[in-house]
Amino acid sequence: QVQLVQSGADVKKPGASVKVSCKASGYTFTGYYMHWVRQAPGQGLEWMGWINPGSGDTTYSQNFQGRVTMTRDSSMRTAYMELRSLTSDDTAVYYCARVPGASTWAFDIWGQGTMVTVSS
Amino acid sequence: EIVMTQSPATLSVSPGERVTLSCRASQSVSSYLAWYQQKPGQAPRLLMYGASTRATGIPARFSGSGSGTEFTLTISSLQSEDVAVYYCQQYSHWPPLTFGGGTRVEIK
Repeated sequence: QVQLVQSGADVKKPGASVKVSCKASGYTFTGYYMHWVRQAPGQGLEWMGWINPGSGDTTYSQNFQGRVTMTRDSSMRTAYMELRSLTSDDTAVYYCARVPGASTWAFDIWGQGTMVTVSS
Repeated sequence: EIVMTQSPATLSVSPGERVTLSCRASQSVSSYLAWYQQKPGQAPRLLMYGASTRATGIPARFSGSGSGTEFTLTISSLQSEDVAVYYCQQYSHWPPLTFGGGTRVEIK
């Protein structure tokens, strides 16, 4: 079945970087756009950016510009999101989410989420 | 940036009752609006897109309406499994894609 499986929870110190992976299965990886969304504890959803797995083109939210990099390895059907210079405000669940593009730009499939905790 | 505002923040409803959730956009998003359901400890799930099209597998008791700046998600008869936080999201003018703050639906 169609699914996105993310890497496990991680704990980082302030100033460090984290890299979260998102492995796709059950569909053509390069045929759908991949977005990243995060959710701080008890808070709402915040869009971070997206990558076109086919071309590698990216667009980032201004809130993360300069701190985030989204990449993909098409041979591994995996997308990655790296966030640098972490602070406690980056403590959140990070989700990857697929967008069909052609039929809708809504997120139709989500990963299970990766909890990233930033603590000294 | 388009700001999405949801109301109310929390709704307490008896099983079987009709539930109406509102979402307002700071400027017109046409029908480029989606609704998501998030249960505790789970990832969000797509309910509606295009303001009124149910996603695959979504029960018919869920319906969406509206266009421009005013949108509504209706649950015709609340079931216990519908307890969740519901988010609206616009994909008309982006980046950035923006979400509402969510409405929590509880059982009375």
